[in-house]
Amino acid sequence: KNEVEQSPQNLTAQEGEFITINCSYSVGISALHWLQQHPGGGIVSLFMLSSGKKKHGRLIATINIQEKHSSLHITASHPRDSAVYICAVDNYGQNFVFGPGTRLSVLP
Amino acid sequence: ETGVTQSPTHLIKTRGQQVTLRCSSQSGHNTVSWYQQALGQGPQFIFQYYREEENGRGNFPPRFSGLQFPNYSSELNVNALELDDSALYLCASSLAAGLYEQYFGPGTRLTVT
Repeated sequence: KNEVEQSPQNLTAQEGEFITINCSYSVGISALHWLQQHPGGGIVSLFMLSSGKKKHGRLIATINIQEKHSSLHITASHPRDSAVYICAVDNYGQNFVFGPGTRLSVLP
Repeated sequence: ETGVTQSPTHLIKTRGQQVTLRCSSQSGHNTVSWYQQALGQGPQFIFQYYREEENGRGNFPPRFSGLQFPNYSSELNVNALELDDSALYLCASSLAAGLYEQYFGPGTRLTVT
């Protein structure tokens, strides 16, 4: 069993739809990161969470430490949101484990 | 404020050679992490440096080594290159280790032939 798992693996949505990507982990963490990677390799950090909920524009991220689970929500999705979304967990830099990623395609 | 930069952008090396990749952290950041991303795979954690000391290491052999300088720029050195070392190498800097957002550089694509 992988230490960090994501679902779904692939997701196709119509523009405007509400999207949820889930992440579960089995190791102790100091923080959980949601990352976005576009074709060509560039990675952008979306959120760093250690508890609760954060919101940036149309993106919302939540984490439940007791259940070892996090979700990334995209409201009013747009084709420019098409990318790979990666959940990664950090244990004070001692270890940094990435999930397998969720490939999102938003169709116009 | 400049972001995280990496050099070179692309590099081709021959099996058995040594390579040095460089990363310049974002201003004010004292922590840098290095990752390897093989084609079609997710990133893998190589190691992290905090205030010039190695703070954590992933499952990579000793021929992967690093340095962090007083200005917090960093190098990744790989000795005795193998074909499987072909990958995108990413560095990311943060204000400190643990509870801080990471800012990623654009990566160096290494090809080993």
